[in-house]
Amino acid sequence: GAVVSQHPSRVICKSGTSVKIECRSLDFQATTMFWYRQFPKQSLMLMATSNEGSKATYEQGVEKDKFLINHASLTLSTLTVTSAHPEDSSFYICSAVVSGSEDQPQHFGDGTRLSIL
Amino acid sequence: QKEVEQDPGPLSVPEGAIVSLNCTYSNSAFQYFMWYRQYSRKGPELLMYTYSSGNKEDGRFTAQVDKSSKYISLFIRDSQPSDSATYLCAMRGIAAGNKLTFGGGTRVLVKP
Repeated sequence: GAVVSQHPSRVICKSGTSVKIECRSLDFQATTMFWYRQFPKQSLMLMATSNEGSKATYEQGVEKDKFLINHASLTLSTLTVTSAHPEDSSFYICSAVVSGSEDQPQHFGDGTRLSIL
Repeated sequence: QKEVEQDPGPLSVPEGAIVSLNCTYSNSAFQYFMWYRQYSRKGPELLMYTYSSGNKEDGRFTAQVDKSSKYISLFIRDSQPSDSATYLCAMRGIAAGNKLTFGGGTRVLVKP
């Protein structure tokens, strides 16, 4: 149980393109989802906390207009990287927590590798 | 100083050996402790989840938490080449809104 699906797994696109990444909880509902960024050989860096039906909470230094987050349902959160540039190239990972079980761990998707040319 | 310290490795062991991993932390508010395994180009996979101090065993994995020393460990018995991955410790407090603080990860190589 507690499967999180992330799509797409790999994106290669030109500079200036906007890219949308989807994060779905397949077998549970998730009031809260998280978006992370991971650079090679480094740990995960939290970008934002996504709450269903409300605005996301962004970590310090993360541009909310650059990384748009929408959490419209209890099973889906999306991250849109707007007007992406080469420096946005990274591994983006989402996670979700089972609704009503705030003492439970985060379950992670398999990540999206974004490459901006 | 980082809130959670973890030796980056690599930690190289022969197949069948015990892998010993640990993290130290400074925030006494941490109450929930997790170990994740991450293969290259994949998301982290939850291995162990513990609350407060104590031991927890699941198959070949044993997690230990010593809150008095602010030290957590993960032991992998009878290690296999498929255990070669990066292991991340993570922790949070009760009032953290589920936000995790991660260690930097330890890369483990199990040689056949």
